[in-house]
Amino acid sequence: QQQVKQSPQSLIVQKGGIPIINCAYENTAFDYFPWYQQFPGKGPALLIAIRPDVSEKKEGRFTISFNKSAKQFSLHIMDSQPGDSATYFCAASAHYQLIWGAGTKLIIKP
Amino acid sequence: DTEVTQTPKHLVMGMTNKKSLKCEQHMGHRAMYWYKQKAKKPPELMFVYSYEKLSINESVPSRFSPECPNSSLLNLHLHALQPEDSALYLCASSQGTGRSPLHFGNGTRLTVT
Repeated sequence: QQQVKQSPQSLIVQKGGIPIINCAYENTAFDYFPWYQQFPGKGPALLIAIRPDVSEKKEGRFTISFNKSAKQFSLHIMDSQPGDSATYFCAASAHYQLIWGAGTKLIIKP
Repeated sequence: DTEVTQTPKHLVMGMTNKKSLKCEQHMGHRAMYWYKQKAKKPPELMFVYSYEKLSINESVPSRFSPECPNSSLLNLHLHALQPEDSALYLCASSQGTGRSPLHFGNGTRLTVT
């Protein structure tokens, strides 16, 4: 019940396409859902986060969609660029504990 | 550049060595964390310090010993490590715990020979 299931494991998209990464959870106590972006050789960096009272949040080209009843949330990257190539982690938090998804390695082809 | 600074960037140590990893942040954050990350895996929480006190130890073996000398500094002392401890060790800080964004350093790449 503490898991966050993330898919796909890897994703290759042409430049300008819209990669979509999906996450699902079971624990209804989770109330904070961040996405982290990690480039090789770097630490993860917060990309965008959402709370369950909001169904969508946009920051620049990045959008989180949240479906509370389905217990699912997803990341969309509009007009994707080769510089977006990285590993993306979804996560969910209740109290102090942050539960991470397994990660998605995204490659944007020029 | 990250606002959480970790040193050294790389470390190679033998199984009988004693070494320390260092982490520093000047954002006024009151929570600091050690994570371990293996290749192609998410970060795995090891320790949490809140207001300079150890608040969470995720059943980490005693060969890893954390220390928080003050609100800006976090150390991880290493002793008698095993080759399977080779990983990227990440330090992070946050304003509070739980729902606060984590600010990560770029990690120390540790190799145990």
